[in-house]
Amino acid sequence: SAVISQKPSRDICQRGTSLTIQCQVDSQVTMMFWYRQQPGQSLTLIATANQGSEATYESGFVIDKFPISRPNLTFSTLTVSNMSPEDSSIYLCSVEPLTNYGYTFGSGTRLTVV
Amino acid sequence: EDQVTQSPEALRLQEGESSSLNCSYTVSGLRGLFWYRQDPGKGPEFLFTLYSAGEEKEKERLKATLTKKESFLHITAPKPEDSATYLCAARGSTGGGNKLTFGTGTQLKVEL
Repeated sequence: SAVISQKPSRDICQRGTSLTIQCQVDSQVTMMFWYRQQPGQSLTLIATANQGSEATYESGFVIDKFPISRPNLTFSTLTVSNMSPEDSSIYLCSVEPLTNYGYTFGSGTRLTVV
Repeated sequence: EDQVTQSPEALRLQEGESSSLNCSYTVSGLRGLFWYRQDPGKGPEFLFTLYSAGEEKEKERLKATLTKKESFLHITAPKPEDSATYLCAARGSTGGGNKLTFGTGTQLKVEL
């Protein structure tokens, strides 16, 4: 399975600021995914990031709020822009399944907005 | 819209007391039913993928099964180290076929 390194692991941010989360994979993958896990809730897909094309956002998520970069086949970033306390959540990156394996997830970024 | 529902929300077992977790799904064109384990402060850890009704997979004390409407995660003779949140997710054919719809999970606590 792929190994994913996600940074930062946690952060406390002031409202109105932005935070960029990095996701590095140890192998080349076509598809990377960004999820949000709000306290006590399930994981919700924010967007799918393919290298060389614009990210595809799910309903309720917009590029201005969650811009994504995918410069190569092993790296992606998610920015949470103009943050409010409602953005406090765990953000997770994930990659497509490799042979006989499921989607692999990073360890997550725990974001608190104050 | 794809939906995944897990029950119970929380489960407390004594060590050695076997039980099952349920995952009900409504998905357009199922392309995989996934089980994950999530420990506090960590990302989900992959356990199993099931693709068709009747399929079963086992790993140590865990066994996952799949029907056309549900999946079960059977835990046999659990140990305290099995304590975690177990997540079920379905991959449907909508949205390009790579979207996972997650349930809210079952928090399992295994006590001595």
